[in-house]
Amino acid sequence: QITLKESGPTLVKPTQTLTLTCAFSGFSLDTNGVGVAWIRQPPGKALEFLALIYWDDDKRYSPSLESRLTISKDTSKNQVVVRMTNMDPVDTATYYCAHSRIAASGTNFNFWGQGTLVTVSS
Amino acid sequence: DIQMTQSPSSLSASVGDTVTITCRASRSIGDWLAWYQQKPGKPPKLLIYKTSILESGVPSRFSGAYSGTQFTLTISGLQPDDFATYYCQQWTAFGQGTKLEIK
Repeated sequence: QITLKESGPTLVKPTQTLTLTCAFSGFSLDTNGVGVAWIRQPPGKALEFLALIYWDDDKRYSPSLESRLTISKDTSKNQVVVRMTNMDPVDTATYYCAHSRIAASGTNFNFWGQGTLVTVSS
Repeated sequence: DIQMTQSPSSLSASVGDTVTITCRASRSIGDWLAWYQQKPGKPPKLLIYKTSILESGVPSRFSGAYSGTQFTLTISGLQPDDFATYYCQQWTAFGQGTKLEIK
């Protein structure tokens, strides 16, 4: 049974760096074809991909946010961490981590955490 | 960078109706497209992947197809549980969502 859970601050100030942790179980992130992604959703708005880390430590980032994002994994702890610098009120959103199935021609997200709401405000 | 254009943004329908949601890719992406259903306050749920393969446990009234760069999600015989927001996704791009409401 695959589960994921996001943790981190619920409130950050503008210009601060957000660090979120995804703790997962039920799979290993060194299995071929597996990844963990971070996806966010501002209140009332659409899903937005942020970052994806592959089993082989390859990474993909949203082109518009790449300069602010870093994703990393700790396979021994079954955790994935994402850092987003220079937070702004427009970054207020629910942040999800998700298990990814990765193939040569695409990926999908078949298990999701419940999400964590991060508010950016002074 | 791939862009996914989803339409309509909202849709009203009745229980028992058949509805179709469309997603168009900005360029040819092959057939690896996924559809998700999201209900308020919940994470998205994967319904379909690789354009037409139903995720385990998803009812057969959901179906997916494509032609060129246009992908469709069809729900045949709407059930009360189907009223939700639907998103398409390919690689790192999500559509803008379609909110399906009860008429």
